[in-house]
Amino acid sequence: GEDVEQSLFLSVREGDSSVINCTYTDSSSTYLYWYKQEPGAGLQLLTYIFSNMDMKQDQRLTVLLNKKDKHLSLRIADTQTGDSAIYFCAETISSGSARQLTFGSGTQLTVLP
Amino acid sequence: NAGVTQTPKFQVLKTGQSMTLQCAQDMNHEYMSWYRQDPGMGLRLIHYSVGAGITDQGEVPNGYNVSRSTTEDFPLRLLSAAPSQTSVYFCASSYSRGLTTEAFFGQGTRLTVV
Repeated sequence: GEDVEQSLFLSVREGDSSVINCTYTDSSSTYLYWYKQEPGAGLQLLTYIFSNMDMKQDQRLTVLLNKKDKHLSLRIADTQTGDSAIYFCAETISSGSARQLTFGSGTQLTVLP
Repeated sequence: NAGVTQTPKFQVLKTGQSMTLQCAQDMNHEYMSWYRQDPGMGLRLIHYSVGAGITDQGEVPNGYNVSRSTTEDFPLRLLSAAPSQTSVYFCASSYSRGLTTEAFFGQGTRLTVV
């Protein structure tokens, strides 16, 4: 299958910006996603971007997409302790009759006081 | 609105035992999936279903069975548990918005096989 790659860990100070990076390999991906997983919980969709967009902003979140380099990033402005979680990048690929989500390994974001 | 409900939340099995992980959704979603989450490996797709009566294999289907007799329920069966199946299992359901797939996840089942 196609691979989605992320670095495993990121630590930032409270109030700083966090940037979580992701690379993907399927150039046919139509949508790319960021999911958040808090401790002991399932994943929740944070935001997504359509592949013909370069940037999407939603309050403190900014998603940047470089389709040429197959690089996706998530920037969290003014990072708070409540942002500590695992962040997963995901892409949608068509597989048979279904559209499947393929996830990266997740980036553990730790926000230090 | 319950969303996606998984039971049990925790389970310990002995090698060779069988069990069923339950998953139910109340959003009338067509698509349902089972993933396993292992450290450093993200989520890997085990099986999925595009509607009642239709299931298919994902990336890591060996040792697992599924069925989809109703839209709401998508149980995952471990036929003969092995220590390699120690993991956190997530069920997800999703609806279709064109080519968008927004998935809603259950809280997970933490399974330990000893």
